Amino acid sequence: GIQVEQSPPDLILQEGANSTLRCNFSDSVNNLQWFHQNPWGQLINLFYIPSGTKQNGRLSATTVATERYSLLYISSSQTTDSGVYFCLTGSQGNLIFGKGTKLSVKP
Amino acid sequence: DADVTQTPRNRITKTGKRIMLECSQTKGHDRMYWYRQDPGLGLRLIYYSFDVKDINKGEISDGYSVSRQAQAKFSLSLESAIPNQTALYFCATSPGDYGYTFGSGTRLTVV
Repeated sequence: GIQVEQSPPDLILQEGANSTLRCNFSDSVNNLQWFHQNPWGQLINLFYIPSGTKQNGRLSATTVATERYSLLYISSSQTTDSGVYFCLTGSQGNLIFGKGTKLSVKP
Repeated sequence: DADVTQTPRNRITKTGKRIMLECSQTKGHDRMYWYRQDPGLGLRLIYYSFDVKDINKGEISDGYSVSRQAQAKFSLSLESAIPNQTALYFCATSPGDYGYTFGSGTRLTVV
């Protein structure tokens, strides 16, 4: 089955810094999503981005499906950005979560 | 009320006991899912249902069963709980392949 790898596993930032999170996948996909799990455990859907680029405020995401990766950019990070970021990818009926990137933003 | 409600929020049970986790949603979506989250392993799919008459096994279905009682309700059962089923369990719903809404999770401890 498809393999999904996220990097880095852990990231510590000072408030105001920018960051890039990466999701690599082993096979062709027609679905890629990014989620944020806040420190209280709640999972929030950030982007559906099977290809191309999308932006939502300080967050943006780019997927290059032909090269089998997706990037999540966080600009001007805030303490509320802390938590774990997951990508979910694959094809219908076979979607796999990556193991996540744990982001800690220090004030 | 939350869009996806999971009950209970926390549960401690003994090895060998049968336990049911319940999920209800007010989104009106056909698709519902049960995931398990373990530290460092991300979320793994247990079962999913694309409509009331459709139930499918996910990545880690052994030791679990599900029931889709209505479009809005999807319950997960552990027939005979074992300690390695201690985890955080999430229910989710979606209108299609994206647009997932997750519940707040059920923290299950099997002793």
